[in-house]
Amino acid sequence: EAAVTQSPRSKVAVTGGKVTLSCHQTNNHDYMYWYRQDTGHGLRLIHYSYVADSTEKGDIPDGYKASRPSQENFSLILELASLSQTAVYFCASSGLGVSAETLYFGSGTRLTVL
Amino acid sequence: GEKVEQHESTLSVREGDSAVINCTYTDTASSYFPWYKQEAGKSLHFVIDIRSNVDRKQSQRLTVLLDKKAKRFSLHITATQPEDSAIYFCAASNGYQNFYFGKGTSLTVIP
Repeated sequence: EAAVTQSPRSKVAVTGGKVTLSCHQTNNHDYMYWYRQDTGHGLRLIHYSYVADSTEKGDIPDGYKASRPSQENFSLILELASLSQTAVYFCASSGLGVSAETLYFGSGTRLTVL
Repeated sequence: GEKVEQHESTLSVREGDSAVINCTYTDTASSYFPWYKQEAGKSLHFVIDIRSNVDRKQSQRLTVLLDKKAKRFSLHITATQPEDSAIYFCAASNGYQNFYFGKGTSLTVIP
């Protein structure tokens, strides 16, 4: 079974502070994703990556940076956290190509910005 | 970009009855349509998918129907059980690893 591990599980941050969410996968997957879940909005893609040292913007990248230093690790960085970034964040990974598209999700990080 | 609409935000059925969740999409290039389930307080996991080269796929009590002309796909759950209670997300992809999700349907199966 594919494994995606997120840390921390929850975090409280102050407005204007820096927040880093971490994700580690042991699936040997090429693709990694960061999604944000808000009530009434479903899942929205923030950033994704298909190879180490390269990241791509998703649908809502403003206010977020991403980093993929290795195939296994993918971080989401909020340089200046804002109240509107309070949400649950999910990391996911997937393989490449047809029949490898299944997303494997981490357990999520609940971020509260005060 | 692609927009996926999930028509039922909540759905309640009696145990043993069937449940149907409907989604529509806008991008004719979308060719892959997975469904994910999120149980209370947990993460999402894959349940079933369908590709655009077929119009029906069944896995045990789950069936997905795809109507490419109407740009509509649906998840049918038969003989529902309490453990089917969860939020179900539909998604669409154009095959380039970008997935667009619906807002989710909260299904409650009443014993």
